[in-house]
Amino acid sequence: GAGVSQSPSNKVTEKGKDVELRCDPISGHTALYWYRQRLGQGLEFLIYFQGNSAPDKSGLPSDRFSAERTGESVSTLTIQRTQQEDSAVYLCASSLDRTMWETQYFGPGTRLLVL
Amino acid sequence: AQSVTQLDSQVPVFEEAPVELRCNYSSSVSVYLFWYVQYPNQGLQLLLKYLSGSTLVKGINGFEAEFNKSQTSFHLRKPSVHISDTAEYFCAVTLNTGFQKLVFGTGTRLLVSP
Repeated sequence: GAGVSQSPSNKVTEKGKDVELRCDPISGHTALYWYRQRLGQGLEFLIYFQGNSAPDKSGLPSDRFSAERTGESVSTLTIQRTQQEDSAVYLCASSLDRTMWETQYFGPGTRLLVL
Repeated sequence: AQSVTQLDSQVPVFEEAPVELRCNYSSSVSVYLFWYVQYPNQGLQLLLKYLSGSTLVKGINGFEAEFNKSQTSFHLRKPSVHISDTAEYFCAVTLNTGFQKLVFGTGTRLLVSP
Protein backbone atom coordinates (compact mmCIF):
# COMPACT_ATOMS: atom_id res chain seq x y z
CA GLY A 1 0.00 0.00 0.00
CA ALA A 2 0.94 3.66 -0.15
CA GLY A 3 3.46 4.91 2.35
CA VAL A 4 3.81 8.29 3.98
CA SER A 5 4.13 11.04 1.41
CA GLN A 6 5.41 14.58 1.83
CA SER A 7 5.31 17.63 -0.38
CA PRO A 8 7.12 19.48 -1.68
CA SER A 9 10.22 17.33 -1.80
CA ASN A 10 12.39 20.44 -2.02
CA LYS A 11 11.65 24.06 -1.13
CA VAL A 12 13.88 27.08 -1.55
CA THR A 13 12.63 30.28 0.02
CA GLU A 14 13.88 33.69 0.96
CA LYS A 15 14.45 34.72 4.55
CA GLY A 16 11.29 36.19 6.03
CA LYS A 17 8.84 34.30 3.83
CA ASP A 18 6.31 31.79 5.17
CA VAL A 19 6.40 28.14 4.08
CA GLU A 20 3.92 25.31 4.40
CA LEU A 21 4.99 21.66 4.39
CA ARG A 22 2.51 18.87 3.87
CA CYS A 23 2.38 15.29 5.15
CA ASP A 24 -0.02 12.55 4.03
CA PRO A 25 0.14 9.68 6.53
CA ILE A 26 -0.68 6.07 5.86
CA SER A 27 -4.44 5.62 5.78
CA GLY A 28 -5.79 4.53 9.17
CA HIS A 29 -2.78 5.71 11.15
CA THR A 30 -3.95 7.74 14.11
CA ALA A 31 -0.54 8.94 15.32
CA LEU A 32 1.54 11.43 13.33
CA TYR A 33 4.93 12.92 14.14
CA TRP A 34 7.08 15.72 12.72
CA TYR A 35 10.86 15.74 13.03
CA ARG A 36 13.62 18.04 11.83
CA GLN A 37 17.05 16.93 10.68
CA ARG A 38 19.73 19.57 10.40
CA LEU A 39 22.89 18.82 8.49
CA GLY A 40 25.16 16.49 10.47
CA GLN A 41 22.69 16.10 13.30
CA GLY A 42 20.17 13.53 14.41
CA LEU A 43 16.46 13.91 14.03
CA GLU A 44 14.80 16.31 16.48
CA PHE A 45 11.22 15.70 17.57
CA LEU A 46 8.94 18.65 16.81
CA ILE A 47 5.32 17.67 17.46
CA TYR A 48 3.04 14.67 17.88
CA PHE A 49 -0.60 14.35 16.83
CA GLN A 50 -3.10 11.80 18.07
CA GLY A 51 -6.01 12.21 15.71
CA ASN A 52 -6.31 15.94 15.15
CA SER A 53 -5.12 17.00 18.58
CA ALA A 54 -1.50 17.69 19.50
CA PRO A 55 -0.82 16.47 23.04
CA ASP A 56 2.89 17.25 22.73
CA LYS A 57 4.24 20.20 20.81
CA SER A 58 7.22 20.66 23.07
CA GLY A 59 9.74 20.29 20.24
CA LEU A 60 8.56 23.26 18.20
CA PRO A 61 11.59 25.59 18.28
CA SER A 62 9.72 28.90 18.39
CA ASP A 63 6.30 30.46 17.95
CA ARG A 64 7.09 30.85 14.26
CA PHE A 65 6.42 27.12 13.95
CA SER A 66 2.90 25.73 13.98
CA ALA A 67 1.19 22.57 12.79
CA GLU A 68 -2.29 21.27 12.32
CA ARG A 69 -3.91 18.04 11.30
CA THR A 70 -7.26 17.42 9.66
CA GLY A 71 -8.94 14.48 11.36
CA GLU A 72 -6.68 11.45 11.05
CA SER A 73 -5.41 12.62 7.70
CA VAL A 74 -3.22 15.33 6.25
CA SER A 75 -0.97 17.45 8.43
CA THR A 76 0.69 20.73 7.57
CA LEU A 77 3.71 22.26 9.27
CA THR A 78 3.92 26.02 8.81
CA ILE A 79 7.01 28.11 9.40
CA GLN A 80 6.42 31.85 9.46
CA ARG A 81 9.08 34.46 8.77
CA THR A 82 11.66 31.82 7.90
CA GLN A 83 15.24 32.21 9.10
CA GLN A 84 18.39 30.66 7.71
CA GLU A 85 18.66 28.37 10.74
CA ASP A 86 15.34 26.80 9.67
CA SER A 87 17.16 25.15 6.75
CA ALA A 88 16.86 21.40 7.30
CA VAL A 89 15.08 18.27 6.17
CA TYR A 90 11.62 18.04 7.72
CA LEU A 91 10.41 14.49 8.18
CA CYS A 92 6.96 13.22 8.92
CA ALA A 93 6.11 9.79 10.32
CA SER A 94 2.89 7.99 11.14
CA SER A 95 2.00 4.93 13.17
CA LEU A 96 -1.14 2.89 13.63
CA ASP A 97 -1.46 4.15 17.17
CA ARG A 98 0.71 5.72 19.82
CA THR A 99 1.82 2.60 21.68
CA MET A 100 5.46 1.64 22.13
CA TRP A 101 5.27 -1.46 19.96
CA GLU A 102 3.85 0.24 16.87
CA THR A 103 6.32 1.13 14.12
CA GLN A 104 6.74 4.70 12.94
CA TYR A 105 6.77 4.84 9.13
CA PHE A 106 8.68 7.79 7.74
CA GLY A 107 8.11 9.84 4.65
CA PRO A 108 10.93 10.89 2.30
CA GLY A 109 11.12 14.37 3.83
CA THR A 110 11.00 17.95 2.59
CA ARG A 111 14.38 19.61 2.15
CA LEU A 112 14.00 23.28 3.06
CA LEU A 113 16.64 25.84 2.15
CA VAL A 114 16.26 29.40 3.40
CA LEU A 115 18.44 31.89 1.55
CA ALA B 1 16.50 14.40 29.43
CA GLN B 2 17.54 11.41 27.46
CA SER B 3 20.34 11.51 24.92
CA VAL B 4 21.78 9.05 22.44
CA THR B 5 25.42 8.88 21.44
CA GLN B 6 26.68 7.29 18.27
CA LEU B 7 30.40 7.85 18.53
CA ASP B 8 31.28 6.65 15.03
CA SER B 9 30.12 9.03 12.33
CA GLN B 10 31.41 6.71 9.64
CA VAL B 11 32.38 3.03 9.57
CA PRO B 12 34.15 1.66 6.49
CA VAL B 13 34.14 -2.10 6.10
CA PHE B 14 34.82 -4.66 3.40
CA GLU B 15 32.09 -6.85 2.01
CA GLU B 16 31.48 -10.08 3.99
CA ALA B 17 33.26 -8.70 7.05
CA PRO B 18 31.44 -8.39 10.40
CA VAL B 19 30.38 -4.97 11.65
CA GLU B 20 29.31 -3.39 14.91
CA LEU B 21 27.71 0.05 15.11
CA ARG B 22 27.81 1.48 18.61
CA CYS B 23 25.00 3.21 20.45
CA ASN B 24 24.95 4.44 24.03
CA TYR B 25 22.09 6.20 25.73
CA SER B 26 21.69 8.15 28.94
CA SER B 27 18.62 7.54 31.04
CA SER B 28 18.05 6.60 34.65
CA VAL B 29 14.70 4.98 33.92
CA SER B 30 13.50 2.25 31.63
CA VAL B 31 13.65 3.04 27.96
CA TYR B 32 12.66 1.52 24.67
CA LEU B 33 15.36 1.32 21.99
CA PHE B 34 15.26 1.36 18.20
CA TRP B 35 17.57 1.17 15.22
CA TYR B 36 16.50 2.81 11.95
CA VAL B 37 18.24 2.65 8.57
CA GLN B 38 18.17 5.23 5.81
CA TYR B 39 19.26 3.96 2.40
CA PRO B 40 20.40 6.55 -0.16
CA ASN B 41 17.48 8.64 -1.39
CA GLN B 42 14.97 6.75 0.76
CA GLY B 43 13.09 7.42 3.99
CA LEU B 44 13.97 5.96 7.37
CA GLN B 45 13.00 2.34 7.91
CA LEU B 46 12.81 0.43 11.19
CA LEU B 47 15.50 -2.26 11.51
CA LEU B 48 14.68 -3.56 14.97
CA LYS B 49 13.46 -2.51 18.40
CA TYR B 50 13.84 -3.52 22.03
CA LEU B 51 10.79 -3.14 24.26
CA SER B 52 11.28 -5.86 26.88
CA GLY B 53 12.22 -9.51 27.28
CA SER B 54 15.25 -11.08 25.63
CA THR B 55 18.13 -8.64 25.41
CA LEU B 56 19.18 -9.97 22.00
CA VAL B 57 16.90 -8.59 19.32
CA LYS B 58 16.88 -9.77 15.74
CA GLY B 59 15.82 -7.46 12.93
CA ILE B 60 15.54 -7.36 9.18
CA ASN B 61 18.36 -8.02 6.73
CA GLY B 62 20.35 -10.15 9.18
CA PHE B 63 20.97 -7.39 11.72
CA GLU B 64 20.76 -7.90 15.46
CA ALA B 65 21.31 -5.77 18.52
CA GLU B 66 21.95 -6.44 22.17
CA PHE B 67 20.50 -4.38 24.99
CA ASN B 68 22.95 -3.98 27.86
CA LYS B 69 21.33 -2.15 30.75
CA SER B 70 24.45 -1.93 32.93
CA GLN B 71 26.43 -0.34 30.12
CA THR B 72 23.44 1.61 28.76
CA SER B 73 24.27 0.36 25.28
CA PHE B 74 22.36 -1.02 22.31
CA HIS B 75 24.99 -1.92 19.72
CA LEU B 76 23.97 -3.11 16.27
CA ARG B 77 25.77 -6.04 14.67
CA LYS B 78 25.84 -8.03 11.48
CA PRO B 79 28.15 -11.03 11.00
CA SER B 80 28.68 -10.50 7.26
CA VAL B 81 27.80 -7.30 5.44
CA HIS B 82 26.82 -6.77 1.81
CA ILE B 83 27.38 -3.84 -0.50
CA SER B 84 23.65 -3.17 -0.23
CA ASP B 85 24.01 -2.49 3.51
CA THR B 86 25.66 0.83 2.68
CA ALA B 87 23.40 3.35 4.40
CA GLU B 88 23.01 5.69 7.37
CA TYR B 89 22.03 3.99 10.62
CA PHE B 90 20.28 5.82 13.46
CA CYS B 91 19.84 4.68 17.03
CA ALA B 92 16.84 6.09 18.92
CA VAL B 93 15.37 5.90 22.41
CA THR B 94 12.06 6.76 24.00
CA LEU B 95 10.65 6.73 27.50
CA ASN B 96 7.15 5.42 28.05
CA THR B 97 5.61 8.89 27.93
CA GLY B 98 2.39 7.62 26.46
CA PHE B 99 3.67 7.80 22.91
CA GLN B 100 6.94 7.20 21.03
CA LYS B 101 8.78 10.46 21.55
CA LEU B 102 11.94 9.31 19.81
CA VAL B 103 15.31 10.87 20.59
CA PHE B 104 17.79 10.07 17.85
CA GLY B 105 21.56 9.84 17.70
CA THR B 106 23.49 11.68 15.01
CA GLY B 107 23.78 8.58 12.85
CA THR B 108 26.56 6.31 11.60
CA ARG B 109 27.29 6.02 7.92
CA LEU B 110 28.19 2.43 7.03
CA LEU B 111 30.31 2.21 3.89
CA VAL B 112 30.71 -1.29 2.48
CA SER B 113 33.28 -1.73 -0.24
CA PRO B 114 34.15 -4.77 -2.36
